[in-house]
Amino acid sequence: RKEVEQDPGPFNVPEGATVAFNCTYSNSASQSFFWYRQDCRKEPKLLMSVYSSGNEDGRFTAQLNRASQYISLLIRDSKLSDSATYLCVVNSNSGYALNFGKGTSLLVTP
Amino acid sequence: GAVVSQHPSRVICKSGTSVKIECRSLDFQATTMFWYRQFPKQSLMLMATSNEGSKATYEQGVEKDKFLINHASLTLSTLTVTSAHPEDSSFYICSARPRRAPRTDTQYFGPGTRLTVL
Repeated sequence: RKEVEQDPGPFNVPEGATVAFNCTYSNSASQSFFWYRQDCRKEPKLLMSVYSSGNEDGRFTAQLNRASQYISLLIRDSKLSDSATYLCVVNSNSGYALNFGKGTSLLVTP
Repeated sequence: GAVVSQHPSRVICKSGTSVKIECRSLDFQATTMFWYRQFPKQSLMLMATSNEGSKATYEQGVEKDKFLINHASLTLSTLTVTSAHPEDSSFYICSARPRRAPRTDTQYFGPGTRLTVL
């Protein structure tokens, strides 16, 4: 079983739509959780950290459920520029290195 | 701040040659640098962790004699793909963990190096 699993999509949504991505992780000892965004042929960029209490950054809301080992990302009022691959990322046993999911592809259309 | 560069950004080479990729932290000192590899439509996979002044720690399945890592200073780590073959063609990305990081899991990613082996 992979450490971090995501639905690869693609998710095709119209501008202004709300879209949600889910992710599960297998290592219950994981401590840190993130969503990264990766554009085609580019490096991943940190979108936001994910906390147990849930956190919001503008149109983006992330939630963590430690009991279910489940992470989510909600994007409201989608923009064309949100089109990218969203990577669910969890820290590894070493505490420093990161485990990446395969990513969920989002395409926002006019 | 917190910029990481990689050089070259793209390289095409013949099978059997060796390729060196540099990863530099431009405005901070990095005690640890990580090397990842990403095949098309796959996730980033950690290859190795390198700490300044010590030998790199390789992930299971990564050949240390094929992927030579040198972390000679607090701002530079190099990955050398020796005797590259077409199956080594991939996107290689480094990340650097600052010496003084706000969180222990803080990493800054380089822009990646796309390697194509003919």
